[in-house]
Amino acid sequence: EDQVTQSPEALRLQEGESSSLNCSYTVSGLRGLFWYRQDPGKGPEFLFTLYSAGEEKEKERLKATLTKKESFLHITAPKPEDSATYLCAVQAGDSWGKLQFGAGTQVVVTP
Amino acid sequence: GAGVSQSPSNKVTEKGKDVELRCDPISGHTALYWYRQSLGQGLEFLIYFQGNSAPDKSGLPSDRFSAERTGGSVSTLTIQRTQQEDSAVYLCASSLLAGGNYEQFFGPGTRLTVL
Repeated sequence: EDQVTQSPEALRLQEGESSSLNCSYTVSGLRGLFWYRQDPGKGPEFLFTLYSAGEEKEKERLKATLTKKESFLHITAPKPEDSATYLCAVQAGDSWGKLQFGAGTQVVVTP
Repeated sequence: GAGVSQSPSNKVTEKGKDVELRCDPISGHTALYWYRQSLGQGLEFLIYFQGNSAPDKSGLPSDRFSAERTGGSVSTLTIQRTQQEDSAVYLCASSLLAGGNYEQFFGPGTRLTVL
């Protein structure tokens, strides 16, 4: 059975304190791995798509990497505005259909 | 530019009533998805449209749930005879599915409360 597991469930950081979030997956035929950010009361906001092991993408203080079993979202020198829940999702199988989401990591960055 | 829009933003209904939730995707996006997000359940897939057809309805929890899409654009999710366990945020997403663009863009959601 396909599984997506995110860790930790919650992370509290001081401003400027870099850290990494983990997304491990067990799926058949990965087509893509997606990272989203979700603020309270809003829909998920797209961050990155990774398609193959070894791929890396960056945006401001965020960098996503992918291996054959997991993905990491690195947050470098975070600011309070990086506080959000970060969701990982995979798309697998023979269509660009449903995303299967992990439970998310809630990140709080304090000044 | 216009993103995915959903209406209403909030809906409170009584158990047993029917509700309709609407989604307007990003113009030109051929694929449309419905998900729901409940406390403690995370985001779960409901149904996927490619054009007006639904190749994957595997996430619809019961036959009280149905969805349609017309003109390759607007979609409506209907829940009949609502139950308290249907209370959740219903999210719609759309995707271009062309030219290497497979990411799904989400709307703000409709928060459904069944009393």
